[in-house]
Amino acid sequence: GESVGLHLPTLSVQEGDNSIINCAYSNSASDYFIWYKQESGKGPQFIIDIRSNMDKRQGQRVTVLLNKTVKHLSLQIAATQPGDSAVYFCAHRTGYSTLTFGKGTMLLVSP
Amino acid sequence: DSGVTQTPKHLITATGQRVTLRCSPRSGDLSVYWYQQSLDQGLQFLIQYYNGEERAKGNILERFSAQQFPDLHSELNLSSLELGDSALYFCASSVEVGVAGAYEQYFGPGTRLTVT
Repeated sequence: GESVGLHLPTLSVQEGDNSIINCAYSNSASDYFIWYKQESGKGPQFIIDIRSNMDKRQGQRVTVLLNKTVKHLSLQIAATQPGDSAVYFCAHRTGYSTLTFGKGTMLLVSP
Repeated sequence: DSGVTQTPKHLITATGQRVTLRCSPRSGDLSVYWYQQSLDQGLQFLIQYYNGEERAKGNILERFSAQQFPDLHSELNLSSLELGDSALYFCASSVEVGVAGAYEQYFGPGTRLTVT
């Protein structure tokens, strides 16, 4: 079946560093990808999304890169802050509007 | 705050029992999605409703059912509960399906279900 997976279950960085969280997907027909951040005890929070007709999209301190050739998605966080510590999920659209989520990467930011 | 509300926040019940989880979507959102999140399975899509009608089904057990009411709030019913049903249950909502290709979903704070 379709799956979205993450390479690194835990990423530890120092405050101020740039973080890169990676994600691989299996469905080459996927046309929409999204990143969520989930803090402890809270629901997933939308960060940024990207459509398959784009390679890169930037938000505030975050950039998502999409490489359709190798079916790889990454989330870059600039100047990582302790408040960025959370689990990050990638997901892609399956069906008409449903999303399939990866298992998540925990980002730990040390002061 | 996403604008999606869920009640109750915590629920503790015994095996074999039945519970109902409630979700109110963001104002104006017609689609509601239910997810189960456990440590070993991540976020699993259960079911989607759109404007009162079932739209898509994921890995939802036959013991589980859901509905969406005319005021667009949704309920997830879990019956004959087993220990393995202990998990976080999230509701999410989105704008009208397909409008301007808007697919992002906004999640509620979740209901933590513990089955003892």
